[in-house]
Amino acid sequence: LAKTTQPISMDSYEGQEVNITCSHNNIATNDYITWYQQFPSQGPRFIIQGYKTKVTNEVASLFIPADRKSSTLSLPRVSLSDTAVYYCLVGDSDDMRFGAGTRLTVKP
Amino acid sequence: SAVISQKPSRDICQRGTSLTIQCQVDSQVTMMFWYRQQPGQSLTLIATANQGSEATYESGFVIDKFPISRPNLTFSTLTVSNMSPEDSSIYLCSVEDRNEQYFGPGTRLTVT
Repeated sequence: LAKTTQPISMDSYEGQEVNITCSHNNIATNDYITWYQQFPSQGPRFIIQGYKTKVTNEVASLFIPADRKSSTLSLPRVSLSDTAVYYCLVGDSDDMRFGAGTRLTVKP
Repeated sequence: SAVISQKPSRDICQRGTSLTIQCQVDSQVTMMFWYRQQPGQSLTLIATANQGSEATYESGFVIDKFPISRPNLTFSTLTVSNMSPEDSSIYLCSVEDRNEQYFGPGTRLTVT
């Protein structure tokens, strides 16, 4: 199983771009990279998923280098409501493991 | 996207009793998962429940303690048996639908 490593916490200010990097050195060929957002007292919410290169949706961008041993979640112009824990997962639908997550705090 | 509801949303239970948590999905899904999230920690997978087969438990979790039912493609239950204070946690139901995973709102369990 691919193990993920993320920073435990990050601080940012409103309007800034936030980049959260996740390391997954043992990623397997069939593994996808998925990011979730979790607010206090709620279940995790899917943000974005990718396999390689770059993926962008209305919420975030995901950058994956050619070796796929890491990935970076990019949140453009964060707001206070983006304060949450962000989890990077590597695996397929049959085998998903959550790491410790990154606690992002957005300050005014 | 799949919409998931759980009952109860929260409960306070006495040590030694059991609680059954229900998970209802608004669409038919093959794979359902049960997670536990202890205070301040990440999610831990308890078991995978596919309709028509026995649940598959992760290391550290056993069927006698966490029996699971999966009677159809839209419903599952997780029972926390013979509870102790260490079982105080949030229990989340999750489903895989069209290659995305969705989570329920969770059940906050406090064991006294």
